[in-house]
Amino acid sequence: AQSVTQLDSHVSVSEGTPVLLRCNYSSSYSPSLFWYVQHPNKGLQLLLKYTSAATLVKGINGFEAEFKKSETSFHLTKPSAHMSDAAEYFCVVSDPPGSGTYKYIFGTGTRLKVLA
Amino acid sequence: GAGVSQSPRYKVAKRGQDVALRCDPISGHVSLFWYQQALGQGPEFLTYFQNEAQLDKSGLPSDRFFAERPEGSVSTLKIQRTQQEDSAVYLCATIGGGARNTDTQYFGPGTRLTVL
Repeated sequence: AQSVTQLDSHVSVSEGTPVLLRCNYSSSYSPSLFWYVQHPNKGLQLLLKYTSAATLVKGINGFEAEFKKSETSFHLTKPSAHMSDAAEYFCVVSDPPGSGTYKYIFGTGTRLKVLA
Repeated sequence: GAGVSQSPRYKVAKRGQDVALRCDPISGHVSLFWYQQALGQGPEFLTYFQNEAQLDKSGLPSDRFFAERPEGSVSTLKIQRTQQEDSAVYLCATIGGGARNTDTQYFGPGTRLTVL
């Protein structure tokens, strides 16, 4: 079965410093992986997705993630944090082809705090 | 409309009451998902529709939960005889076509249900 593990429930960084949010996945096939962000009282928004094309994926707001099959990881990074990046971030894997559902399987989330 | 909308945004119910939560998908979107997000957790899959057909309801936690999408557009999630453990945010997500594992799901803002 597919699963994702977000290694940190909370991450704090200072404004202007790099961000690293860690995600490991487990999948019996070549997965599709996503990062979503959830701001308070707002809907989940897609940051980026990996769908077996380039392993380095660029997303919105300066975020990017690298798919590393050997490490089963899909960590999210940003070179310089902004106050507006403070939010909850979810790593997501989707059901495999042939499942008929393609539901998302979410990690437990990482709350990012950005300090002034 | 421009995005997925859900109503009501907030619902308080007394234990034992029935509730109905509505999802208005992006116009023309074929696939529709319901998720349950408990406090401090990632969303968990409840059920999936393709047009009016409910193709997967494996995530519904009990027979008190029922979902429908009679005309293949608006969907309603109904919870009968609510219990305190049903307190959560209920999210609706849609995809334009029949879902594939590479597809982006577009999420509504959610309905926060509190059962007293």
